Amino acid sequence: DQQVKQNSPSLSVQEGRISILNCDYTNSMFDYFLWYKKYPAEGPTFLISISSIKDKNEDGRFTVFLNKSAKHLSLHIVPSQPGDSAVYFCAASGGGTASKLTFGTGTRLQVTL
Amino acid sequence: EAGVTQSPTHLIKTRGQQATLRCSPISGHTSVYWYQQALGLGLQFLLWYDEGEERNRGNFPPRFSGRQFPNYSSELNVNALELEDSALYLCASSLARRDGETQYFGPGTRLLVL
Repeated sequence: DQQVKQNSPSLSVQEGRISILNCDYTNSMFDYFLWYKKYPAEGPTFLISISSIKDKNEDGRFTVFLNKSAKHLSLHIVPSQPGDSAVYFCAASGGGTASKLTFGTGTRLQVTL
Repeated sequence: EAGVTQSPTHLIKTRGQQATLRCSPISGHTSVYWYQQALGLGLQFLLWYDEGEERNRGNFPPRFSGRQFPNYSSELNVNALELEDSALYLCASSLARRDGETQYFGPGTRLLVL
């Protein structure tokens, strides 16, 4: 049972444009959501998080939006840069999952020149 | 400030052997988590330790075990290795044992079982 889903395995965006990565979840008890960026053979790097009491959180070029009624979150990267090319994972915790993170399957972002 | 460190970076074992992976959390972090990323798969939660106790484990067999030491570092032990145990093993740490605390990951240990 995949409780966190990233339905787009890959995304290609031109440098300078907006990248939008999407994530859906099914467990309504999740109350904390995170985005991580991962390069091959490395550990995930934390990017940004959002609590369920908010609907938006911004940090520099990265903004995360949360739509609780739709059980959907998205990560916007503006402007996209070639160094943003990586695999992006959304993760969720909360509501009896005892602090473990449940990860989506990832979206590979390719930022082209 | 040093991040999460893991050792070794790579480990090659044969079927039936035991593997021991080590993790040192960020200073001040008391919770340590272990995740497995097998080839082509996402990150799967393995174990969570806090204050020296195992607090939760994922859907893995008992041959995956570990412990947390008084200095909050942790070991993951995998007994009776199987070929499908080949994966990247990631350790993460966080400040406290409650939801809403960001987990920070180490670089991982790549385990290859031949």
